[in-house]
Amino acid sequence: AQSVTQPDIHITVSEGASLELRCNYSYGATPYLFWYVQSPGQGLQLLLKYFSGDTLVQGIKGFEAEFKRSQSSFNLRKPSVHWSDAAEYFCAVGPNFGNEKLTFGTGTRLTIIP
Amino acid sequence: GAGVSQTPSNKVTEKGKYVELRCDPISGHTALYWYRQSLGQGPEFLIYFQGTGAADDSGLPNDRFFAVRPEGSVSTLKIQRTERGDSAVYLCASSALGRSPLHFGNGTRLTVT
Repeated sequence: AQSVTQPDIHITVSEGASLELRCNYSYGATPYLFWYVQSPGQGLQLLLKYFSGDTLVQGIKGFEAEFKRSQSSFNLRKPSVHWSDAAEYFCAVGPNFGNEKLTFGTGTRLTIIP
Repeated sequence: GAGVSQTPSNKVTEKGKYVELRCDPISGHTALYWYRQSLGQGPEFLIYFQGTGAADDSGLPNDRFFAVRPEGSVSTLKIQRTERGDSAVYLCASSALGRSPLHFGNGTRLTVT
């Protein structure tokens, strides 16, 4: 069965510092990987996705993620965080065909300090 | 343009009651998904519609849960004999054909007292 592990429940970083959120997945075939962001009271917004090709993918809001098959990881990065990046971040994995029946991790809550 | 709309935004009900949660997808989106997000957890897949038919309902927890999409647009998630464990945020998402991304609504927060 597919699964996603986000080992960090809560991360605090200073504004302007770099960020890396970890994601490890378990999937029996070539995965389709996503990062979503959820602000309080808001729906999930897609930051970026990986399907195939270049393993370094660029997303919105200055985020990027790198797919590493050997490590079963898809970590999210941002070189310099802004106060508005404070939110809950979810990694998800899905089948590489047909539909978006996704399996989500438990999320990482990001706090930004001035 | 308009996004995915979910009503009500909040619903409080007593244990044992019946509830309906509504989802209005983005116009033209053929695929519609329901997910459930419990406190401190990521969303969990419930059911997926392609057009009017449920293509995959493997995530529905038991037969108290049912969803319909009679005209291939609006969908209703129905929960019978609600239990306190059903308390969660119910998320709806829609997408166009192919591998287009999911667009999520803001969810309905269901509280069963």
